Amino acid sequence: GAGVSQSPSNKVTEKGKDVELRCDPISGHTALYWYRQRLGQGLEFLIYFQGNSAPDKSGLPSDRFSAERTGESVSTLTIQRTQQEDSAVYLCASSPTGGGEKLFFGSGTQLSVL
Amino acid sequence: GENVEQHPSTLSVQEGDSAVIKCTYSDSASNYFPWYKQELGKRPQLIIDIRSNVGEKKDQRIAVTLNKTAKHFSLHITETQPEDSAVYFCAANGGDYKLSFGAGTTVTVRA
Repeated sequence: GAGVSQSPSNKVTEKGKDVELRCDPISGHTALYWYRQRLGQGLEFLIYFQGNSAPDKSGLPSDRFSAERTGESVSTLTIQRTQQEDSAVYLCASSPTGGGEKLFFGSGTQLSVL
Repeated sequence: GENVEQHPSTLSVQEGDSAVIKCTYSDSASNYFPWYKQELGKRPQLIIDIRSNVGEKKDQRIAVTLNKTAKHFSLHITETQPEDSAVYFCAANGGDYKLSFGAGTTVTVRA
């Protein structure tokens, strides 16, 4: 595709429900990143993939958060038993080179937990 | 891991004046320092980056300087225009390549 695509663009859920967020990176990009951005705040690192492997999962806020990537392409971020503090924009980015370089961001998924 | 601090948090400048944003980083293994611009409701976009083997880089009205010894880098915007109004984020890649971001600077250009 032309850019990084994320779906859904908006998600409203009830506290305690599970949600799955999807990211389609730019074709051929080997690295993929997930960040969380609360309203008016900076970008909080969650996890990154080099190929299908996640070298460091320490950024995930709790064990309710998990992520996977398959086929060196699509990635899903799953939040189980959502809490109100999970409300934020979840941004995905991909990079052709890795090393934290040249990230291209998607438009994000706005998650609202009621 | 890498820790990036960014100042100021807000910056208001008169159109035509210059704006300067400063960042410090903690991980001496960081070798890549990008700057992203995020307009209201939009995604962050890379505007300029610099590697550790370079001290300064310029692209039209924007420039970035890097002081590896002091572990700080700065963004300079000259001849500011209303379309420069946005949130600017600095970042550093750290030895683990996670790309850590500063908290952001909200720049407002007054007409």
